[in-house]
Amino acid sequence: ETGVTQTPRHLVMGMTNKKSLKCEQHLGHNAMYWYKQSAKKPLELMFVYSLEERVENNSVPSRFSPECPNSSHLFLHLHTLQPEDSALYLCASSQGGIGTEAFFGQGTRLTVV
Amino acid sequence: GENVEQHPSTLSVQEGDSAVIKCTYSDSASNYFPWYKQELGKGPQLIIDIRSNVGEKKDQRIAVTLNKTAKHFSLHITETQPEDSAVYFCAARFNTNAGKSTFGDGTTLTVKP
Repeated sequence: ETGVTQTPRHLVMGMTNKKSLKCEQHLGHNAMYWYKQSAKKPLELMFVYSLEERVENNSVPSRFSPECPNSSHLFLHLHTLQPEDSALYLCASSQGGIGTEAFFGQGTRLTVV
Repeated sequence: GENVEQHPSTLSVQEGDSAVIKCTYSDSASNYFPWYKQELGKGPQLIIDIRSNVGEKKDQRIAVTLNKTAKHFSLHITETQPEDSAVYFCAARFNTNAGKSTFGDGTTLTVKP
């Protein structure tokens, strides 16, 4: 147990659906991240929130919309996704500062049909 | 930006043997290098890290070495066990308040009993 909890663990959605992924961290960290992990690709950073403000958006399509209502919760709202968006979506958190490591959740396995 | 290359992509060893995974990075400003282990169905978990002011760090059967001049670092696992079988990721970053890492492509390690 890493202290970062993601729900749901698995999600199948149609291309016209709207769904949300949820992440919660119990570590008192002040930064949270969304990563995408596709088969045979390195981890791709999607969004970074520090102190609840978005500080990084690595040119992610607008069909992915993050929300960070407080330092413990992070959401990823999904709408009109494409089949190529099927992947493992990982949430992570860290305490900002020198030598801080990221703690990852177990991920949400998303399949877009 | 930072670019991290990881080799080999797959590694198979006999139980009890040693395993070595190597990474190179491009940005000389990077000063923090974590290693993650990802087991099937789980998110990556930090197993060891090293800062740029240190050349080597050990934690039981796991060690990491860093050569700043050559910009490469390696993970060494001694006396491998079947439970060491997993995907291992190296990463590199320059510390910021919302520290974010650039990840290697991963190495699938299989330890045969």
